[in-house]
Amino acid sequence: DSGVTQTPKHLITATGQRVTLRCSPRSGDLSVYWYQQSLDQGLQFLIQYYNGEERAKGNILERFSAQQFPDLHSELNLSSLELGDSALYFCASSVKGTDYGYTFGSGTRLTVV
Amino acid sequence: AQSVTQLDSQVPVFEEAPVELRCNYSSSVSVYLFWYVQYPNQGLQLLLKYLSGSTLVKGINGFEAEFNKSQTSFHLRKPSVHISDTAEYFCAVTALRGATNKLIFGTGTLLAVQP
Repeated sequence: DSGVTQTPKHLITATGQRVTLRCSPRSGDLSVYWYQQSLDQGLQFLIQYYNGEERAKGNILERFSAQQFPDLHSELNLSSLELGDSALYFCASSVKGTDYGYTFGSGTRLTVV
Repeated sequence: AQSVTQLDSQVPVFEEAPVELRCNYSSSVSVYLFWYVQYPNQGLQLLLKYLSGSTLVKGINGFEAEFNKSQTSFHLRKPSVHISDTAEYFCAVTALRGATNKLIFGTGTLLAVQP
């Protein structure tokens, strides 16, 4: 157990639907990062939050959004889902910077049918 | 901006043989470098990291990596691999003093250890 909790582990949904992925960071970690892992794109950085505020954006689609709540957990919202959104979505956390590296959760596997 | 190139998508090797997984990076500023391992159906686990100091970095499970600034490389090595080392290995980089500490990952190298 890495200390980063992601729910649900698996999600199957239809095209056009909306889903919410949840991440609880390791105790004491203020930064949360979301990554998408797919066979054709590899590991793509989506977005980072630090202590409730958005810190950086990567290759995140406009249909996707995220937030970090006061208790530091984070949610990634994916809407108007397309077949191509099927992927593994990872959350990672760190204390502040990457001096100690990220700690990754075990991921949410999203399948859009 | 930073980028990472892992030239080998797959490296087959026999058990107890040595292995080297190659990683080259590109950056206009100083960087931190990392290697992560991903076992099947699991998240990524930190193997080792280079922040500063000695260019030879030792990590978990007997792995080590050497930072070579002139060649912008951070190759991962293990003198004797086990079946249990079969996994996907990712090299990653982040800027030393960037506005964000997002990690940029390479495309990964599948280490396939054969008996």
